[in-house]
Amino acid sequence: KQEVTQIPAALSVPEGENLVLNCSFTDSAIYNLQWFRQDPGKGLTSLLLIQSSQREQTSGRLNASLDKSSGRSTLYIAASQPGDSATYLCAVGILTGGGNKLTFGTGTQLKVEL
Amino acid sequence: DTEVTQTPKHLVMGMTNKKSLKCEQHMGHRAMYWYKQKAKKPPELMFVYSYEKLSINESVPSRFSPECPNSSLLNLHLHALQPEDSALYLCASSQATSGQGAGGANVLTFGAGSRLTVL
Repeated sequence: KQEVTQIPAALSVPEGENLVLNCSFTDSAIYNLQWFRQDPGKGLTSLLLIQSSQREQTSGRLNASLDKSSGRSTLYIAASQPGDSATYLCAVGILTGGGNKLTFGTGTQLKVEL
Repeated sequence: DTEVTQTPKHLVMGMTNKKSLKCEQHMGHRAMYWYKQKAKKPPELMFVYSYEKLSINESVPSRFSPECPNSSLLNLHLHALQPEDSALYLCASSQATSGQGAGGANVLTFGAGSRLTVL
C-alpha cells in the first residue's frame, strides 16, 4: 500500500525566505505527482504536476522536483509571502480505473509572517 | 470554464435523513472522483467514475451511493449516515485514461467541497 509522508508537518517563516517542503513515498511505481495548496476549510488548488518521466516543473515562484527512484519530491517556494500561508499537500498518482488515483501526503502547514 | 462546482457548501443532516451532494464540471473531463477529508487529515478516495461508469469503490459503506447521470454531473446520495461521517466531501475531475494513459497530464481539478455535519 502506498504511503506518502511530508516533512515538516508545520513550518513558520518570516516573509521573504526561500523554503523547501519535502514529500516521500514508499512505492516508486507512480504515474505522476501533484502538489496542491489548501486554505482552511476550502478545496484544493493544483500548483504543479510532474509526470513520472520528468524531473521538475516550475510555475512562477514555485519549483517542484521528482526523484522517482528514491521516492522523493520537493516543493521549493522562492521569496515567500504572507499569501503563501496554507497547507501544502503532495499526492502521488497511478493510472487505474480509467482515472488518475491520487494518494495524498500528510501535509505541511505553512505560515509566512510579516 | 475551468471550475468544478459543488453544492451545497454546507449541509447539516440527521441520521435518518436522505440528502445528496452535487458536483458539476464543464471541462469535458470524463473521469470524476469523490474524496472525503476529515479535519486535519489528507483527502481519501471514495469513488472514481470513468465515462459515466463506476470504476473504483474504495470499500465505502453502502450508506454512500454515488451516481453519474451524465458526463458533467456527479452526485453522492447520503442515507442513514453516522456522526463520524461528518467531513469535507471533495469532488474532482480529470481527463480519463485508457490503457497506459491518454497522454494528457491527468491533472485533477477539485471543487471547493461540501462541508457535511451529521447530528
